[in-house]
Amino acid sequence: QKEVEQDPGPLSVPEGAIVSLNCTYSNSAFQYFMWYRQYSRKGPELLMYTYSSGNKEDGRFTAQVDKSSKYISLFIRDSQPSDSATYLCAMSAIGGAQKLVFGQGTRLTINP
Amino acid sequence: SAVISQKPSRDICQRGTSLTIQCQVDSQVTMMFWYRQQPGQSLTLIATANQGSEATYESGFVIDKFPISRPNLTFSTLTVSNMSPEDSSIYLCSVQPRVETQYFGPGTRLLVL
Repeated sequence: QKEVEQDPGPLSVPEGAIVSLNCTYSNSAFQYFMWYRQYSRKGPELLMYTYSSGNKEDGRFTAQVDKSSKYISLFIRDSQPSDSATYLCAMSAIGGAQKLVFGQGTRLTINP
Repeated sequence: SAVISQKPSRDICQRGTSLTIQCQVDSQVTMMFWYRQQPGQSLTLIATANQGSEATYESGFVIDKFPISRPNLTFSTLTVSNMSPEDSSIYLCSVQPRVETQYFGPGTRLLVL
């Protein structure tokens, strides 16, 4: 079993829809949770990060962490064609070199 | 955030040769990381490089195959040695200016024939 599981998709939705992206994990030591966006032929771009449980909102993006269920989510409201990319969840435990463990990535397409 | 550049952006190499990838950051950072992203796959950590100490390699990666240098707080190199087609991948460096964040470079796309 992988430490981090993410549905690879692909996921295709119409413009304006609410998108829900999810990851599950098995390591209870994970405390930092991040979402990256990666456009084709580019490096991953940090979208949001959260520490421990709870919600965090930034514009059209909301990140949720439920540590009791070992489940994290990223919601995109009013999705735009420019949101079309691969979304990667990543997480790390406290201390040490903060090694990031990534999910497989979900390829998202927003159709105009 | 940090601005990270990598050279080369892409390369096509013959098997058995070596390629050195450079990573430059616009600010001083203690920790730098090297990742590999194979086609259609997620990112896998190769090693962690701290200035002034030996790099720490993850399981499945060895120094003879992926030697790393970290001469100062803004620069690092990763060499892919004695390449085979299985080394074809995107190689990414990242930095961690704060404990909760890592920022990535644009990547180096390597094709080994």
